[in-house]
Amino acid sequence: IQLTQSPSSLSASVGDRVTITCRASQGISSYLAWYQQKPGKAPKVLIYAASTLQSGVPSRFSGSGSGTDFTLTISSLQPEDFATYYCQQLNNYPFTFGPGTKVDIK
Amino acid sequence: EVQLLESGGGLVQPGGSLRLSCAASGFTFSSYSMSWVRQAPGKGLEWVSAMSNSGDNKPYADSVRGRFTISRDNSKNTLYLQMNSLRVEDSAVYYCVKCSTACQHNWFDSWGQGTLVTVSS
Repeated sequence: IQLTQSPSSLSASVGDRVTITCRASQGISSYLAWYQQKPGKAPKVLIYAASTLQSGVPSRFSGSGSGTDFTLTISSLQPEDFATYYCQQLNNYPFTFGPGTKVDIK
Repeated sequence: EVQLLESGGGLVQPGGSLRLSCAASGFTFSSYSMSWVRQAPGKGLEWVSAMSNSGDNKPYADSVRGRFTISRDNSKNTLYLQMNSLRVEDSAVYYCVKCSTACQHNWFDSWGQGTLVTVSS
């Protein structure tokens, strides 16, 4: 199963609403997770089961979708949110990740 | 607190072998499936392999199948990745990952800090 993400990168300002999309090459139900990775650090899960917020993750992050089309939304971008975001399908082996979306400061 | 501490990375020549270890603590290791994920320098994430808590299910990425072997020792709370016939394209940071329960249909809830493997002559 291949995952595509758009955009591949974006520049945004603090306070902006940001939306990242992830599309699967075939249906994966809701078995999709979103991860945030900062430079030199391990990824961290934000959202699982397409729309469930991981404990401890700020509520400005939200996820939606099922089947083949998914979105990650940051309602009001904060300075600590500048990072790369990856989607991952866990419906079937081999698990696959999207290519990533880099969010940087405008 | 979940802790995953990888070790065993380093510089190896093409065709060589390495064994990575991941020492787990802060949770009941024998109850959870585990996985390895790698990231080549400046590149994205690539899933490598996973292992069920009992060890009876061990899927691999096509890129490593037949060369890498995942294993675990529940008595030592340790996950391993034996890497043979290493190629330049295997160079990456290798992350040890804990699955939320099983890996399939769930998510990766904890990651180690990673260990760097460099394959070069």
